[in-house]
Amino acid sequence: GAVVSQHPSWVICKSGTSVKIECRSLDFQATTMFWYRQFPKQSLMLMATSNEGSKATYEQGVEKDKFLINHASLTLSTLTVTSAHPEDSSFYICSARERQGLLNEKLFFGSGTQLSVL
Amino acid sequence: AQSVAQPEDQVNVAEGNPLTVKCTYSVSGNPYLFWYVQYPNRGLQFLLKYITGDNLVKGSYGFEAEFNKSQTSFHLKKPSALVSDSALYFCAVRDEDFNKFYFGSGTKLNVKP
Repeated sequence: GAVVSQHPSWVICKSGTSVKIECRSLDFQATTMFWYRQFPKQSLMLMATSNEGSKATYEQGVEKDKFLINHASLTLSTLTVTSAHPEDSSFYICSARERQGLLNEKLFFGSGTQLSVL
Repeated sequence: AQSVAQPEDQVNVAEGNPLTVKCTYSVSGNPYLFWYVQYPNRGLQFLLKYITGDNLVKGSYGFEAEFNKSQTSFHLKKPSALVSDSALYFCAVRDEDFNKFYFGSGTKLNVKP
C-alpha cells in the first residue's frame, strides 16, 4: 500500500529556533497534503491544506507566518515551525491524499513528529 | 460545518467479545465517513470508509461499520475482539469539496485477554 514518510520522528530545539518537518509520499503522487497537530488525549486538529504548486490554505486560528508550509513537488511537503516556543511543543502529523477517482480516495499518514521546544 | 463526535474516551472489552466504538456525525450534504486506527508509536492507518452504497461497510482486520442516516451514526464494530486490536480509533468526516478531513476526539480501545 501507499506509504508516507515523515521525518524527523522527534526533535528537541531551543526556543527561538526554527524546525522543518518533511512529509514525502513514497509511491504515489499527492496533489494534496494535510498537516495536523495532535495534543495529548485530543483529536487531530487540521492546521492547513497544502496543494502542490500553490499557497497553503490555513485553518482559522493557525498563524501562517508561524507555520510555513511548502509543497514544491507532488511527493514532498514541508512544515517549518518558525521561531518555535514551548507552546508549539506538540505532535505534528502529515497526511497525503491518494486520489484515483471520486469514489476511490484514501488518506495516508506519516508516523508523526514529536516536537519539544525547550 | 462538518463535525464528528466520539462520545467514549475509552472502551474496554474482553478478548473474543464483540466490540463497538461509537461515532456520530454532522454534515451538510452527503456524508463521507471514515475510520482510522492509530497504534502506539505509529501513524494513522485507514480502516474503512462509507461513500455511497450499502450501509454496512467492511474494512481491514475484520472491522465493519454501519452507516445509519436517521441516527447520523457510523459506529465501528467487530464480532470478536483481539488483544491486538487495542489502539486509538478515530472517526472522520470529509467535507463536500473533498479537500478536508475532520476527526473525532478518538476512542481508546482496550481489549483484555
